Amino acid sequence: GAVVSQHPSWVICKSGTSVKIECRSLDFQATTMFWYRQFPKQSLMLMATSNEGSKATYEQGVEKDKFLINHASLTLSTLTVTSAHPEDSSFYICSATYGTGREDTQYFGPGTRLTVL
Amino acid sequence: AQSVTQLDSHVSVSEGTPVLLRCNYSSSYSPSLFWYVQHPNKGLQLLLKYTSAATLVKGINGFEAEFKKSETSFHLTKPSAHMSDAAEYFCVVSDTNTNAGKSTFGDGTTLTVKP
Repeated sequence: GAVVSQHPSWVICKSGTSVKIECRSLDFQATTMFWYRQFPKQSLMLMATSNEGSKATYEQGVEKDKFLINHASLTLSTLTVTSAHPEDSSFYICSATYGTGREDTQYFGPGTRLTVL
Repeated sequence: AQSVTQLDSHVSVSEGTPVLLRCNYSSSYSPSLFWYVQHPNKGLQLLLKYTSAATLVKGINGFEAEFKKSETSFHLTKPSAHMSDAAEYFCVVSDTNTNAGKSTFGDGTTLTVKP
């Protein structure tokens, strides 16, 4: 149980284009979904927190107009990287939880590797 | 405020020998603590978590961790390393009463297992 999927698993795009990444909780309803960015050999950096039906909460330094997050349902959140540039190339990971407390486990997707040429 | 420090960026052990990955935390409240494992180009998998119950927590794949409040530590151990344990390990602390996602990740420890 508690499986989270991401699509696509990898994507290559040209500079200036937009890319959408989907995050789905397959067997549970996620009260909250999170988007992380991970650079090679580094830890995860939380980008934003999204709750179904409300606007995402972005971490300091993350451009909300560049990284659009939509949480349309309790099982789907999307991250759109708009006007992507080579510096946006990274490993993007989502996670989901069905609780609201600090003890609740985050279930992570397998990640999406974005390469911007 | 919360923070977590993984004391070793790299740990190398021989197959069959014990594993110790060290983690110290700082928290203003009673924290929840987690260990996750990440294999190359994969997402993170929960190994175990501490949530104010038993201080010795047993996880998957033979891993366990002990919460020591006096030492503010949550070290991860395994009696006998297996080649498949080679991966990146993250210690995570969360002490907010709401929004489980406001977690802080350690910088990670790369575990290498030699045959």
